[in-house]
Amino acid sequence: DAMVIQNPRYQVTQFGKPVTLSCSQTLNHNVMYWYQQKSSQAPKLLFHYYDKDFNNEADTPDNFQSRRPNTSFCFLDIRSPGLGDAAMYLCATSRRGGQQETQYFGPGTRLLVL
Amino acid sequence: AQTVTQSQPEMSVQEAETVTLSCTYDTSENNYYLFWYKQPPSRQMILVIRQEAYKQQNATENRFSVNFQKAAKSFSLKISDSQLGDTAMYFCAFMKHGVGKLVFGAGTILRVKS
Repeated sequence: DAMVIQNPRYQVTQFGKPVTLSCSQTLNHNVMYWYQQKSSQAPKLLFHYYDKDFNNEADTPDNFQSRRPNTSFCFLDIRSPGLGDAAMYLCATSRRGGQQETQYFGPGTRLLVL
Repeated sequence: AQTVTQSQPEMSVQEAETVTLSCTYDTSENNYYLFWYKQPPSRQMILVIRQEAYKQQNATENRFSVNFQKAAKSFSLKISDSQLGDTAMYFCAFMKHGVGKLVFGAGTILRVKS
């Protein structure tokens, strides 16, 4: 089945130790998104890639970066995680163009910062 | 800027009964999409239903239907024959056509009781 996959599902890191979260998709979608979601809150968009074009949200901290080496994969890098970065990180994909754009989400990676 | 308001933080419903979740939004756009997403305790965000603003007919997906009132900027979700598996956080979301950025409401926690 076509899907959005996130690895790992749970990630524990230490304060200040860089961490990378991974997302892959078999939907052949041209847009990939990264969201941060804290407990009982709505997801907050960090950035997205439209093909190779990177689009950063204005309020995304510099501590968060992303890479998209190819259509299928996208990575979220947190350079120096702080305690406030502990959250669920959701990856989503969509196909832009036409009238049917819809975002499909992966299962998320829960990040714990010690 | 667009905003989405879900005025019911929490709701409960008995199994097999019908429940309606409210959502209102504010936009000056004419071409957009509205979505309801479900996020169970497992935390994967799942698309429930989608409505294109240019369509007058209300979207339906099995037990889930919407009441889309474009002039009133209202987009409620009706769940018929509620099941225990419907227990989740429900997010209403807006997306301007061609932009791809989802604007989420704060969410409504729905609990289905046996």
